[in-house]
Amino acid sequence: GAGVSQSPSNKVTEKGKDVELRCDPISGHTALYWYRQSLGQGLEFLIYFQGNSAPDKSGLPSDRFSAERTGGSVSTLTIQRTQQEDSAVYLCASSLAGDGNQPQHFGDGTRLSIL
Amino acid sequence: QKEVEQNSGPLSVPEGAIASLNCTYSDRGSQSFFWYRQYSGKSPELIMSIYSNGDKEDGRFTAQLNKASQYVSLLIRDSQPSDSATYLCAVNSDSWGKFQFGAGTQVVVTP
Repeated sequence: GAGVSQSPSNKVTEKGKDVELRCDPISGHTALYWYRQSLGQGLEFLIYFQGNSAPDKSGLPSDRFSAERTGGSVSTLTIQRTQQEDSAVYLCASSLAGDGNQPQHFGDGTRLSIL
Repeated sequence: QKEVEQNSGPLSVPEGAIASLNCTYSDRGSQSFFWYRQYSGKSPELIMSIYSNGDKEDGRFTAQLNKASQYVSLLIRDSQPSDSATYLCAVNSDSWGKFQFGAGTQVVVTP
């Protein structure tokens, strides 16, 4: 079956512009996660959606970052007024259940470059 | 602050030898443990899941869990150059499904 799909794979934009990153999880997976990975660094948790529960936004670095998940499936991560420090790979993952016992499966990521 | 610690490496391993990677975690309530492999420029891919104390084997990989000592390890037998990657340890310690990831150990297998 299809894995986690992210788009675009690469995004280059100018400082101050808004960007939207999309994630389509594996069909049937109720939990969806966004991470950020800067060059040579570890995974930085951003936000977590589980079913219809309120998302865990505790990892969002500033109010310029927001995410939504429509219909319990596709998610969009939005970064407003982008800054150069936002340049990173943004990874989406999904898991079958959000109870922590199921592994997360990652998409290929979106490489974001802010000029 | 829940923490997952890994030696950053690089861990240099001769081809054919055993690579041994360790991961310690701080939360005694942790229940689920995962190892991921990440090639340079790629996203993490799941290698192993382990939930109970003891060993779990899958091909050339063996995961070992010791909850009393709060560590989980990964052994790679008969290491191949294609095993050269960064290995991430992930631990879940609450029912909400949020993982704590270690910073990863870089493994370099030399021919």
